[in-house]
Amino acid sequence: DVKVTQSSRYLVKRTGEKVFLECVQDMDHENMFWYRQDPGLGLRLIYFSYDVKMKEKGDIPEGYSVSREKKERFSLILESASTNQTSMYLCASSSTSGQGYNIDSGNTIYFGEGSWLTVV
Amino acid sequence: AQSVTQPDIHITVSEGASLELRCNYSYGATPYLFWYVQSPGQGLQLLLKYFSGDTLVQGIKGFEAEFKRSQSSFNLRKPSVHWSDAAEYFCAVRNTGFQKLVFGTGTRLLVSP
Repeated sequence: DVKVTQSSRYLVKRTGEKVFLECVQDMDHENMFWYRQDPGLGLRLIYFSYDVKMKEKGDIPEGYSVSREKKERFSLILESASTNQTSMYLCASSSTSGQGYNIDSGNTIYFGEGSWLTVV
Repeated sequence: AQSVTQPDIHITVSEGASLELRCNYSYGATPYLFWYVQSPGQGLQLLLKYFSGDTLVQGIKGFEAEFKRSQSSFNLRKPSVHWSDAAEYFCAVRNTGFQKLVFGTGTRLLVSP
């Protein structure tokens, strides 16, 4: 089974703190993503990466940065946390290769269990 | 730009009854379409996906979805709902050039006894 692991499930941080959210995938996937989930807004893409050291802005990158030094690890960084960044953060990964129709084949995007961040 | 609309925020269905969750998308070309399910406090699990071919797609847990190009829809169905199906359901679309998914705002399914 594909596994996307988010090391911290629940965090409480103070305003102005620097926050690191870590994500590791074990399937040698090229692509990794960070989404933010808020009630009534669904999931919104913050950043994504299609290769080591490569990153692209998503729809809501402001206030965030990312790091991908190794293929299996994708970190989301809140340089100075603010209360409006209280949310659930979801990491995901996918493979670029393959176009199979099997539900578990390539091109499926797999999600971690999420990290609940509260900024006080 | 792509967009996904899930018009129902909440739906309540009796256990054993049939279910249909609506999803409409906006995209210029043939989209890749997905349905995910999220149980409370959990990540997202893929139910099914449509890339091309047969417009009726079978997924896990007894779910199916039908792609209707003329209506720009990809509705999720299940003939008989179980209490364990209570969760939030997300429809998503992605472009053919990259893996980026665009999600709808979700539909929360409640199952009554």
